[in-house]
Amino acid sequence: DQQVKQNSPSLSVQEGRISILNCDYTNSMFDYFLWYKKYPAEGPTFLISISSIKDKNEDGRFTVFLNKSAKHLSLHIVPSQPGDSAVYFCAASGAGAGSYQLTFGKGTKLSVIP
Amino acid sequence: DGGITQSPKYLFRKEGQNVTLSCEQNLNHDAMYWYRQDPGQGLRLIYYSQIVNDFQKGDIAEGYSVSREKKESFPLTVTSAQKNPTAFYLCASSIAVGSGSPKNIQYFGAGTRLSVL
Repeated sequence: DQQVKQNSPSLSVQEGRISILNCDYTNSMFDYFLWYKKYPAEGPTFLISISSIKDKNEDGRFTVFLNKSAKHLSLHIVPSQPGDSAVYFCAASGAGAGSYQLTFGKGTKLSVIP
Repeated sequence: DGGITQSPKYLFRKEGQNVTLSCEQNLNHDAMYWYRQDPGQGLRLIYYSQIVNDFQKGDIAEGYSVSREKKESFPLTVTSAQKNPTAFYLCASSIAVGSGSPKNIQYFGAGTRLSVL
């Protein structure tokens, strides 16, 4: 059973517009959430993270929002650039046993059109 | 430059053969991890190690083995018991294992693509 879900396999956005990537989770023990960006044939690169005690974290063009009651988080990229075209993975880790482990979603492929 | 180095980039395995994927890090991280990625899938944890000479099975450990004799190195062996080894293998490390902590941010190598001949 998937504990971290990215329901949109792909997303296309015009350059300069906002990209919104969504992620849902089912395990209420998750308390730390991360976004990774991955280019083909490369390892994922850490992008931004958020603790469950916050509802927003911002880093330059990237903002992550967390809605704990809905078990939903989103990554906003503003403005989107062609170099942002990649697969974005949402990941979560939890308190207690297994807190070491990151549980990944299946990814969303973002295409930014010039 | 600090980072995680995986080698080789491409690897081919013959039937019945064991192959070993290398992972080295110079980040002075305590924890190291091995993941497998299949097309259209997320990353699945094979093994992880919190400290030298200790490692634990992840979700899909069957057919794989690891060792952690040095802090910097965490090689993965894909044994002949792994019947479907074709995948992209990723090694990662983090400062320490922790709960809800930035210390748990994992940094990844560039990956090894393993194919079966």
